[in-house]
Amino acid sequence: DAKTTQPPSMDCAEGRAANLPCNHSTISGNEYVYWYRQIHSQGPQYIIHGLKNNETNEMASLIITEDRKSSTLILPHATLRDTAVYYCIVHRGNKLVFGAGTILRVKS
Amino acid sequence: GAVVSQHPSRVICKSGTSVKIECRSLDFQATTMFWYRQFPKQSLMLMATSNEGSKATYEQGVEKDKFLINHASLTLSTLTVTSAHPEDSSFYICSALAVAGELFFGEGSRLTVL
Repeated sequence: DAKTTQPPSMDCAEGRAANLPCNHSTISGNEYVYWYRQIHSQGPQYIIHGLKNNETNEMASLIITEDRKSSTLILPHATLRDTAVYYCIVHRGNKLVFGAGTILRVKS
Repeated sequence: GAVVSQHPSRVICKSGTSVKIECRSLDFQATTMFWYRQFPKQSLMLMATSNEGSKATYEQGVEKDKFLINHASLTLSTLTVTSAHPEDSSFYICSALAVAGELFFGEGSRLTVL
């Protein structure tokens, strides 16, 4: 599975958009980009995933660059409850291997 | 969305005893489940892949005789930590693979070995 690089931490003001970047320059053509988040002492929560096209659901938007070497997860209106560790994972098949993730702190 | 339940959520045991953790997919069938462990302030580490009706596949460095995995039905996988020691204290998390390819995670089970 391709390796991902994420900033270790980010801060965001409540009500503003949170943009979390992920670099996956070694991604191969059939690998998906998945985003999960983990709130302290809970299991990871699925957010969104995509292959080539940008994706949007009720939680977030996923923007994937045309060369697929990076992506950005966008939380359009961050709330305090969005404070969590966000994991960007690139894989094919079934196994998800987690990196260090980004600690997002939403502040009032 | 799909729900994966783990039980117990917290368990404290004495050193040398065995502890079983259950992982259930409540509203879907999962031929494949995964077990992770997570130490404080660290990321999740994949331990093994649990396949219904066959032997689990363990990641490198994970002792299969120490961490027994059974996936006897399409909705239940169990992880048994045998002869637990304090260094086995950790947060154990399971996930279940749905037909559409999404992975849903349980709430986690915190094991403390005294």
